[in-house]
Amino acid sequence: TQLLEQSPQFLSIQEGENLTVYCNSSSVFSSLQWYRQEPGEGPVLLVTVVTGGEVKKLKRLTFQFGDARKDSSLHITAAQPGDTGLYLCAGARWGGSQGNLIFGKGTKLSVKP
Amino acid sequence: NAGVTQTPKFQVLKTGQSMTLQCAQDMNHNSMYWYRQDPGMGLRLIYYSASEGTTDKGEVPNGYNVSRLNKREFSLRLESAAPSQTSVYFCASSPRVTLGGELFFGEGSRLTVL
Repeated sequence: TQLLEQSPQFLSIQEGENLTVYCNSSSVFSSLQWYRQEPGEGPVLLVTVVTGGEVKKLKRLTFQFGDARKDSSLHITAAQPGDTGLYLCAGARWGGSQGNLIFGKGTKLSVKP
Repeated sequence: NAGVTQTPKFQVLKTGQSMTLQCAQDMNHNSMYWYRQDPGMGLRLIYYSASEGTTDKGEVPNGYNVSRLNKREFSLRLESAAPSQTSVYFCASSPRVTLGGELFFGEGSRLTVL
């Protein structure tokens, strides 16, 4: 059972466009993380959101945690080729160890110059 | 700044062969993890170690064993490799034992089982 659904799976856009990536679940999470992974490398943490309704901004990236703590979104403004990569969300379930961190399958973003 | 170091980076095995993937972190983190990443499947947890001296099964532990040798090192062993174990393996560490801590990943080990 896939607890975290990411959409879209693939996204190819032109430089300068805006985009939103979604991470949805029927489960409630205590916190949610977003990672970016470039080819041949391991994922790197972008942000952790912990409060329902929380919005965090990282330069051109805006992350939101749903009020019910079941979903999250990542919005990129004026995308650049350097934003190309695989974006992964990961939800932490209540009451467990780090073994209960669940990853979505990822959104593969390609930004063309 | 080494962070999390995995060896080897690439390995080709024949079915039935054994091998050990090595992982070391120099950040004095308590928790360490082994994930596998397959196309269309995302990252799946194989085993983790919340602290030195403890190991626990993750989502897909069958066919693997682990050893937390000390606080720095966490190895993953395939006793009898199968083609289904062809994957990219990532080791990760975290300063926290409880949920929500940042995971620091290695660069990955690409394993092909023929």
